[in-house]
This record gives sequence, structure tokens and C-alpha cells, in this order.
Amino acid sequence: NAGVTQTPKFQVLKTGQSMTLQCAQDMNHEYMSWYRQDPGMGLRLIHYSVGAGITDQGEVPNGYNVSRSTTEDFPLRLLSAAPSQTSVYFCASSRTSGGVLSVNEQFFGPGTRLTVL
Amino acid sequence: SQQGEEDPQALSIQEGENATMNCSYKTSINNLQWYRQNSGRGLVHLILIRSNEREKHSGRLRVTLDTSKKSSSLLITASRAADTASYFCALAGDSSYKLIFGSGTRLLVRP
Repeated sequence: NAGVTQTPKFQVLKTGQSMTLQCAQDMNHEYMSWYRQDPGMGLRLIHYSVGAGITDQGEVPNGYNVSRSTTEDFPLRLLSAAPSQTSVYFCASSRTSGGVLSVNEQFFGPGTRLTVL
Repeated sequence: SQQGEEDPQALSIQEGENATMNCSYKTSINNLQWYRQNSGRGLVHLILIRSNEREKHSGRLRVTLDTSKKSSSLLITASRAADTASYFCALAGDSSYKLIFGSGTRLLVRP
């Protein structure tokens, strides 16, 4: 199993450009999420999804869109990039626990390092 | 805020010593998780402890949870240079699909 994969590994954008960060998992996990990590800080939740067709906002959703058309893929779209979105972006996935509303052990991808000039 | 606060922010120890990191939080949780991040890499899950558990072990790792004090600790025994990394606690709220991370403890193990 490849686990959680992310592309690209590195990306440089100009202010105002848009792009999509790709995330895929092959573990049949229902739950997927996107985080950003700024230098010297912890991770902040951007968006998450508990299954195909279901997405919701995390702590810092502004400027980002997500969709979940399949169980495997959870792309993150930057609509109009800003320098404040310079960060490392991590995608993660986990199984859900049936009717229990909580988050289990997360499997993380290797990250995408994004610079917005 | 549900965010965990970690203490200390940085820790430097000699190989063979034990390392203890603490995480405090403010709201009720379903579980608390610990992750490791090597420099420039993704995060790796270490241990998940549920709110009705008090202690869990995994190899050289020991995690405790005190829900009355809203705090958890991660103990790494007999540390090795390879344990050098940042360690994060993450809070899974009660009735929530959000996993919220603390700011982390940077551990340096000197050979």
C-alpha cells in the first residue's frame, strides 16, 4: 500500500494564482483532512471529510475549497493565492468508528511545501 | 479553544536519559493522540489514549491521561539520538470530527 500520497512536493505561486493540491489514499479510509503547518508551529485544520460527498470546515478554512467525489481522493484548492498561505500542507486519513463521533489515528502524507510570492 | 498547550517547548537531554513532555487542554475530549515529526517530514502516530483510559504503553513510550486535571504526559525512556524530533499532542473532541494539534515540543537527544 502506498498509504497517503500528496502531489506536488513543492510549488511556487504568484499572488492571485490558483492551484489544486492533490491527496490520495489507498486504505479505504472514510475520514480525510487537510492541515497547514507554519514554521515552528503545530498543525491547523483547514477542512475535513467523513466520506464521499461530505465536507466540513476546520479551524482555518478561508481561502481554501475542498470536494470529495471519491473515497480515495481529497483535493485542496487555493482560489486566489496570498503570501499568508505560504506554508507546508499535510493531508491525512483515518478510519471512522461507526456511530462514534470522533477522530482516530491519522495517517499523514509527506506534505506539500507551498510558497506564494 | 480546544488546542493543547505543550510544555516544555524545547527539551535537550543526553542519550539514555528519559524525556517527559506534557500536554494540557481545556475542553472535554474523546481521545488524545501523540505524534512525532522528524524535521521536514510528515507526522507519525505514536499512541492514542481514550478518555476512559489512564495509561498506555508502546515500547519505550508511556502515555498518561488525567481527565480531572485535563492533562497528559508522554514519557520516552532510555532515549536515543534517533528520538530527536518534534512531538505533538492532538485532541479529538467529544462529539466532533476535528483533531486539534498543540504547538509541539522539540526534543534533542545528544549522543
